[in-house]
Amino acid sequence: QVQLVESGGGVVQPGKSLRLSCAASGFTFSSYAMHWVRQAPGKGLEWVALISKDGSNKFYADSVKGRFTISRDNSKNTLYLQMNSLRAEDTAVYYCARDQTTGTNLDYWGQGTLVTVSS
Amino acid sequence: QSVLTQPPSVSAAPGQKVTISCSGSSSNIGNNYVSWYQQLPGTAPKLLIYDNNKRPSGIPDRFSGSKSGTSATLGITGLQTGDEADYYCGTWDSSLTTWVFGGGTKLTVL
Repeated sequence: QVQLVESGGGVVQPGKSLRLSCAASGFTFSSYAMHWVRQAPGKGLEWVALISKDGSNKFYADSVKGRFTISRDNSKNTLYLQMNSLRAEDTAVYYCARDQTTGTNLDYWGQGTLVTVSS
Repeated sequence: QSVLTQPPSVSAAPGQKVTISCSGSSSNIGNNYVSWYQQLPGTAPKLLIYDNNKRPSGIPDRFSGSKSGTSATLGITGLQTGDEADYYCGTWDSSLTTWVFGGGTKLTVL
């Protein structure tokens, strides 16, 4: 069965960096585009980034553009989110999600990992 | 302010029907597939409806989706207390080249 397991969350000071990982299993990872979506405490879903199947195309929300980098290693079935220059407003649960057919829907989601940006 | 507009909350009694609207524009809903997500309290979102009106395996036919022009609607019939959740619409925005979500609608089954 499809499984997505995020890791790497934690407490980090403003201005610092953190890298999230999402380990995928149960499907051919290299055949699917992947997303990162976040949810601040008590708030709605906010899309963060999308990467194509082969990693050649990447798209970002304006709120993270220039600070966050999405990447993937298809040989390791793993998705990454490198987060630099973190701000308090980046505090959220970060989910990775599979795109069923690029840009149409997010059909499987991980359980999420909490990132807290605080001094 | 979300690109897609949803009502903040809806409510209905058990057994009744409810609809949740999602309004957008020609750059998103008007020209792309809409999907809907259910987020039960304390859990990750789950795909409920995709390609405007299709249900993934395991989703009961009490849940339905439709799209007309630049708006989409999620319908839930035979409401159960277990349907209490937050519901989000989502689609690709071709102008922004980003995925966009609605602000979410909290469903209360009275």
